[in-house]
Amino acid sequence: GQSLEQPSEVTAVEGAIVQINCTYQTSGFYGLSWYQQHDGGAPTFLSYNALDGLEETGRFSSFLSRSDSYGYLLLQELQMKDSASYFCAVRPDGDAGKSTFGDGTTLTVKP
Amino acid sequence: DTEVTQTPKHLVMGMTNKKSLKCEQHMGHRAMYWYKQKAKKPPELMFVYSYEKLSINESVPSRFSPECPNSSLLNLHLHALQPEDSALYLCASSQDRGSITGYTFGSGTRLTVV
Repeated sequence: GQSLEQPSEVTAVEGAIVQINCTYQTSGFYGLSWYQQHDGGAPTFLSYNALDGLEETGRFSSFLSRSDSYGYLLLQELQMKDSASYFCAVRPDGDAGKSTFGDGTTLTVKP
Repeated sequence: DTEVTQTPKHLVMGMTNKKSLKCEQHMGHRAMYWYKQKAKKPPELMFVYSYEKLSINESVPSRFSPECPNSSLLNLHLHALQPEDSALYLCASSQDRGSITGYTFGSGTRLTVV
């Protein structure tokens, strides 16, 4: 099976940088994804890492270290609209359709 | 079209009712998923269809019955549900099960069982 750990809540101010960590345990590993979900909305795909290193997409970056079973999502130049829940999700090797989501991190951005 | 459309958006049903949730995508995606999400919890995988065939059933009770009539449509038939089945039901799709571009989720059906 798989298990993921991420902080339950993070608070930051507008314009700041915030990092949301995710550690995982899985019997096989294919990749780590990140999703954003606003209250009452659908999860939206943000990024995917299969190899070690940093992937950058605009203000958001995602990092993976396979040897440490660890990844993070970095959000820069925070805006109020970034207040949402952020989920990491792991895809197990050999069963790519079976992504498991972490419990989510609620990010609150304050003025 | 880059959307997954789910209907209805809200559904209230009694424990003896039969209802169906519908999901549609026209992105040419060949993998489609049903997830269940309770408040303040992550989405939980229920079913995966790959090329219109059921490939994963996460030990979901038989009162939930999925159906994939064609590559664009996914249904979830509901029968004799329990109040604890009340949740947001999310449909998602991806290019295929191995896609690295992530899932596209629909806005969900908020189901209340009374």
